[in-house]
Amino acid sequence: GAGVSQTPSNKVTEKGKYVELRCDPISGHTALYWYRQSLGQGPEFLIYFQGTGAADDSGLPNDRFFAVRPEGSVSTLKIQRTERGDSAVYLCASSSSGQGSYEQYFGPGTRLTVT
Amino acid sequence: AQKVTQAQTEISVVEKEDVTLDCVYETRDTTYYLFWYKQPPSGELVFLIRRNSFDEQNEISGRYSWNFQKSTSSFNFTITASQVVDSAVYFCALSGTYKYIFGTGTRLKVLA
Repeated sequence: GAGVSQTPSNKVTEKGKYVELRCDPISGHTALYWYRQSLGQGPEFLIYFQGTGAADDSGLPNDRFFAVRPEGSVSTLKIQRTERGDSAVYLCASSSSGQGSYEQYFGPGTRLTVT
Repeated sequence: AQKVTQAQTEISVVEKEDVTLDCVYETRDTTYYLFWYKQPPSGELVFLIRRNSFDEQNEISGRYSWNFQKSTSSFNFTITASQVVDSAVYFCALSGTYKYIFGTGTRLKVLA
């Protein structure tokens, strides 16, 4: 079956602009996660959705970052007033359950570059 | 606080050599899960294995094997007879409830 997909694969934007990153999880997966991976680092947790609600958004760096999952499937990560420090690869993952024992399946990521 | 340490930043081996990637973790949870993922140059993280804290039995899958030791808080990964296709960045991750805590990764280069 289809894996996790993310669009766009690359996004270049100017400082101060607004961007939206989309994630389409594996069909039937109720849990969805966003991570951010900076160069040479491991992915860092941003937010976790169980169904439509954000169960944990403690990893969002500040209030410029926001994510939604209105129908419990596709999710959008929104970044306002982008800064050069936001440049990174944004990874989306999904799993069939939100329990820690379940492996997460990752998408290919969106590489965001803020100039 | 939870933490994962992968002290080896980069390892280079010649094809057919065995190589071990180290992973040391810290957690106060009594129930937790450990994972290894492979990130090839294409960038997509590929799941390799999951272990839970109650199961210290070592596991072998083809050329891959994993050694989990609670006494030393380690979950090491060995590739036997390495191949060029094994070249990638490998991440160890820890999970208590749902979110993963990743290490900084080890870049493995297998030279032909």
